[in-house]
Amino acid sequence: GAVVSQHPSRVICKSGTSVKIECRSLDFQATTMFWYRQFPKQSLMLMATSNEGSKATYEQGVEKDKFLINHASLTLSTLTVTSAHPEDSSFYICSARWWRDYNEQFFGPGTRLTVL
Amino acid sequence: AQKVTQAQTEISVVEKEDVTLDCVYETRDTTYYLFWYKQPPSGELVFLIRRNSFDEQNEISGRYSWNFQKSTSSFNFTITASQVVDSAVYFCALSGLNQGGKLIFGQGTELSVKP
Repeated sequence: GAVVSQHPSRVICKSGTSVKIECRSLDFQATTMFWYRQFPKQSLMLMATSNEGSKATYEQGVEKDKFLINHASLTLSTLTVTSAHPEDSSFYICSARWWRDYNEQFFGPGTRLTVL
Repeated sequence: AQKVTQAQTEISVVEKEDVTLDCVYETRDTTYYLFWYKQPPSGELVFLIRRNSFDEQNEISGRYSWNFQKSTSSFNFTITASQVVDSAVYFCALSGLNQGGKLIFGQGTELSVKP
């Protein structure tokens, strides 16, 4: 149990386009999902906290208009990178928090975004 | 403020050697959780262990063991008889009870186990 999927696993896009990344909890309900970004050879940095049915909470320095997060259901959160630029190229990882254990997070496999 | 420090950026060992990965943390929360994750080249995070701040018992799981010492704010990870498959980046992470479940990751230690 406790499987989190991400789609797509890899995406290459042209500069200026928008890309949507989906994060799904497959066998449990997740009231909260987290989005992280990881640049090569660096650590994971939390971008935002996504709560079902409400607006996402963004970490300091993360542009909310650029990284749109929608948590429309208890099993799906989406991250849309709008007007992507090469500097947005990164590994994006989501995690879902199990409602039964506030301090348990299950991670998705990640999405590698390359902006040309 | 919360912080996790993994001072060892890269470690290289020969197979069958024991290796310890260090993790030092800072938090003002009295209740918190510490984690270790493994990230192989594929990128997917693999959960290894979670420890809460009230449980200082050391843990052993096969070749893996963890030493939690609140007095020094450390949560070190030892791999005994390392194997090539242990090569990966290892992250230590912290989640404070009053931080909404957010995970703060250390910088990671890249472990290379050579045959």
